[in-house]
Amino acid sequence: AQRVTQPEKLLSVFKGAPVELKCNYSYSGSPELFWYVQYSRQRLQLLLRHISRESIKGFTADLNKGETSFHLKKPFAQEEDSAMYYCALSGTGANSKLTFGKGITLSVRP
Amino acid sequence: DAGVTQSPTHLIKTRGQQVTLRCSPISGHKSVSWYQQVLGQGPQFIFQYYEKEERGRGNFPDRFSARQFPNYSSELNVNALLLGDSALYLCASSWGTGSGYEKLFFGSGTQLSVL
Repeated sequence: AQRVTQPEKLLSVFKGAPVELKCNYSYSGSPELFWYVQYSRQRLQLLLRHISRESIKGFTADLNKGETSFHLKKPFAQEEDSAMYYCALSGTGANSKLTFGKGITLSVRP
Repeated sequence: DAGVTQSPTHLIKTRGQQVTLRCSPISGHKSVSWYQQVLGQGPQFIFQYYEKEERGRGNFPDRFSARQFPNYSSELNVNALLLGDSALYLCASSWGTGSGYEKLFFGSGTQLSVL
């Protein structure tokens, strides 16, 4: 079975502070990990995925297979980063479907 | 491009009724997936279709069914509605076969309330 755990529901930081949104996963094989984001009144959209090794809007995420984690980080938060963030995992073959965590609300205060 | 479109946006039904939700993917996308999002939870996978064939099914009862049409649009049907079916139903489309490795483009969802 595949499972994604986002241990926190809410993270509130001041503008300019570092951000780390935690994500832990459970999967027996080699998963693909994603972060999706939903800004206020907008659709759920892909922020970044591990396979692309990309940095989007200053966010990065490193896959740590030993700790089974895929934490999302940004060194300096901006007010426009305030949103709901979901970590998601996809397996392979028959398990090739996205499993989402419960999400975390990031609030960046001015 | 309007993106993934879903209809209706809101729906109110009573227990025992049946409901049909509709989804039109982005032009050129051949894969459609359906997700259920209960308040306070992340989206949960229901179905995935590619080229009109079911490619995946989540852990949902047989009351849930779906299909994909030749124009790649899709319908999700839920029979014998229960209060617990109240949720936001999201449709997503993608360029390829819809494997989990692909970027999904989500619609705005249909908010279903069962009374």
